Amino acid sequence: AQSVTQLDSQVPVFEEAPVELRCNYSSSVSVYLFWYVQYPNQGLQLLLKYLSGSTLVKGINGFEAEFNKSQTSFHLRKPSVHISDTAEYFCAVKRVGGAQKLVFGQGTRLTINP
Amino acid sequence: DTEVTQTPKHLVMGMTNKKSLKCEQHMGHRAMYWYKQKAKKPPELMFVYSYEKLSINESVPSRFSPECPNSSLLNLHLHALQPEDSALYLCASSQVLGQFEEKLFFGSGTQLSVL
Repeated sequence: AQSVTQLDSQVPVFEEAPVELRCNYSSSVSVYLFWYVQYPNQGLQLLLKYLSGSTLVKGINGFEAEFNKSQTSFHLRKPSVHISDTAEYFCAVKRVGGAQKLVFGQGTRLTINP
Repeated sequence: DTEVTQTPKHLVMGMTNKKSLKCEQHMGHRAMYWYKQKAKKPPELMFVYSYEKLSINESVPSRFSPECPNSSLLNLHLHALQPEDSALYLCASSQVLGQFEEKLFFGSGTQLSVL
């Protein structure tokens, strides 16, 4: 089975500051990795995903994430955040070739302060 | 059209009521999903349909009954719900189930309150 741990439930950051949202996963088999964002009163939107290849993945809205196999991590970063980045961020994994079930972490609430 | 549309946006129902949630997409996706999300929690998978056939049922109680009448529509029929079933119900779709890796498109959800 796969599991995902998002190490911070809330991250407050000042506008234009850099941010890192941490995600660690556990799996005995190869997985795909994802970050989704959920804005208030909305569904989830894919930010980026790691399938294979380069470990640095660039996504929408200036976000990027780095896959580290040895540390089983997939941390999300943005060099300069905006008020509009205030949202809930979910890290998720899916087993390669397996049943199509996304396993989500508990989420990190990113709050941007002016 | 890259949207998944869910109706209604809000629903309040009593424990003896029967209601239905509706989800629609016109992207030609052949896999559709129902997720349940409690407040401040991640979404939890309930059902997956692939080519209009139920592919995954995550041991959901029978008071939730999914239906996929065609490739564009997904319904969730609700009957005799409990207050603890109050949650945001999210619909999602993806191009094909089980092939390489698909991107999930989510609707905005139906906020359900059971009184």
